[in-house]
Amino acid sequence: QLQLQESGPGLVKPSETLSLTCTVSGGSISSSSYYWGCIRQSPGKGLEWIASIFYNGSPQYNPSLKSRVTMSVDTSKNQFSLELKSVTAADTAVYYCARHRWQVIRTRGYFDYWGQGTLVTVSS
Amino acid sequence: DIQMTQSPSSLSASVGDRVTITCRASQSISNYLNWYQQKPGKAPTLLIYAASSLQSGVPSRFSGSGSGTDFTLTISSLQPEDFATYYCQHGFSTPYTFGQGTKLEVK
Repeated sequence: QLQLQESGPGLVKPSETLSLTCTVSGGSISSSSYYWGCIRQSPGKGLEWIASIFYNGSPQYNPSLKSRVTMSVDTSKNQFSLELKSVTAADTAVYYCARHRWQVIRTRGYFDYWGQGTLVTVSS
Repeated sequence: DIQMTQSPSSLSASVGDRVTITCRASQSISNYLNWYQQKPGKAPTLLIYAASSLQSGVPSRFSGSGSGTDFTLTISSLQPEDFATYYCQHGFSTPYTFGQGTKLEVK
């Protein structure tokens, strides 16, 4: 059974960088059928897709966050990572990792497996 | 960005009821519409993808329909474990966006 596990600091100071690592177990990250994505959920903005990455490193970014986001993948560790720069209180949310199955073309898809999520609070 | 609007925002129902939740896209998304269930403190789980395809392991009382801009999620006979919040999400193009959610509560 595929599992995703988020890891990262629960508290980040304003203006600093949020770093999240997602570890995939029970399956290979190096599959051509999937991207690997990050989604966040806050009371104010609901569910928000942040970005997804293919095993070859090809990313898709939400334009609203693109200037601050970098995603990367490490196939040797079966992991992918998110960095969000210059955080503010508005970035406080539960961050989820998810498997992103693409359909027909790579900019279409859905999220079929999710990690349990990790709460990240931005506060000094 | 494509906006997704769900209705109602909340719904009270009883075990055994038939329930329908609607989702409208701000532009045509063909059948690239997905439905998720979320229980408190848990991650969302995929119920339906491509508007009407049931995800493996999901009970057959869940069904989806629609295309273009208007979609529905139907639960044919509510079970106690179905009280949760439901979200639609379009997968037509990036950025993928979600509806605001429909909270299904016990009447």
